Amino acid sequence: DSGVTQTPKHLITATGQRVTLRCSPRSGDLSVYWYQQSLDQGLQFLIQYYNGEERAKGNILERFSAQQFPDLHSELNLSSLELGDSALYFCASSPGQPSTDTQYFGPGTRLTVL
Amino acid sequence: ILNVEQSPQSLHVQEGDSTNFTCSFPSSNFYALHWYRWETAKSPEALFVMTLNGDEKKKGRISATLNTKEGYSYLYIKGSQPEDSATYLCASTSGTYKYIFGTGTRLKVLA
Repeated sequence: DSGVTQTPKHLITATGQRVTLRCSPRSGDLSVYWYQQSLDQGLQFLIQYYNGEERAKGNILERFSAQQFPDLHSELNLSSLELGDSALYFCASSPGQPSTDTQYFGPGTRLTVL
Repeated sequence: ILNVEQSPQSLHVQEGDSTNFTCSFPSSNFYALHWYRWETAKSPEALFVMTLNGDEKKKGRISATLNTKEGYSYLYIKGSQPEDSATYLCASTSGTYKYIFGTGTRLKVLA
């Protein structure tokens, strides 16, 4: 158990809908990262937040947005969902912001878009 | 190299064999190289973070080396055990702080 929690574990929804995935980092960690793992692709970095501020952006679609709240939990919002958005979404956290920090991954949220 | 590439894609070894795989990454503007171990139905678990050219890290039977000038890292497993079966991922970060992952090497250790 890494200490990173993600909810929900599974989510099934329809095309065109909007969902919110939630992540609570390890106690004391200030950075949160979001990743997407689709069937036909490897792990894709989406976005990083550090202490409430956006730090780095990867291959995140415009239909997706994220934020980190004052209590350091983070939410990833996915809207106008398409079949291709079906994937495993991981959140990770690390103590600080440098890219040399070890990241601790949560158990993931499996999103199925029908 | 613009992407992170890992080879081989998959590997079967006998219990007790030693093995190694490669991660190639962009050497320009390099910041760090991460290695992860990812077991089926679990989440990735960090093995090493390496930053300096010539770095060597070790954790039990697993070790890694780093060459930032030519843009590659090797992961070695000595005396493979069935519990080492997993996908081994590497990820590179550059000055943009974006993490680029390879597609992994799937290792299966046969008892």
